[in-house]
Amino acid sequence: DTAVSQTPKYLVTQMGNDKSIKCEQNLGHDTMYWYKQDSKKFLKIMFSYNNKELIINETVPNRFSPKSPDKAHLNLHINSLELGDSAVYFCASSQEPSSAKTQYFGPGTRLLVL
Amino acid sequence: AQSVAQPEDQVNVAEGNPLTVKCTYSVSGNPYLFWYVQYPNRGLQFLLKYITGDNLVKGSYGFEAEFNKSQTSFHLKKPSALVSDSALYFCAVRANQAGTALIFGKGTTLSVSS
Repeated sequence: DTAVSQTPKYLVTQMGNDKSIKCEQNLGHDTMYWYKQDSKKFLKIMFSYNNKELIINETVPNRFSPKSPDKAHLNLHINSLELGDSAVYFCASSQEPSSAKTQYFGPGTRLLVL
Repeated sequence: AQSVAQPEDQVNVAEGNPLTVKCTYSVSGNPYLFWYVQYPNRGLQFLLKYITGDNLVKGSYGFEAEFNKSQTSFHLKKPSALVSDSALYFCAVRANQAGTALIFGKGTTLSVSS
């Protein structure tokens, strides 16, 4: 049973398109996150939601919009895709937003914008 | 501002030898420190964390890490390396404050030769 799952695993698309990545966790956690890993493997937080409410919103272009329909799901919608959006996007979850809680990561979605 | 430094891009060790992957951090107040491992084309797996208490933390797969407050370090260690330990290792820090993000180092590639 996968704890944190993401779909799709791979996404190849053209510049200017709009795409979504879905994330689901079956751990019963209250808090979910999106991270971006660039080509140099550098990881950076994008968003964090707790019980469907946004609690962390780093400096991310407005083209990126997270949506949390319930606390087990956090989807990422990207408008007007650009070449620089090519990266691996990881979803994660933790029991609560406390800094001490471990974050558990999904397998990643590899996005390539052509 | 929080930051994490992993001074080595790559660490090479022979199988059976001890290994150390270095990490230093900067954070206001008490830090929460984490180590994650990433295998090729996979998500991040949690290894261990320091929250409070004993400075020596034991984690998964025989790894341990020592928290050193005076040197602001949290080096990852293993007494005897395995070829299967070869992967990308990330150190991460989070401040003990609500709404703060988990900040990752740039990662260190561990290569264990047989």
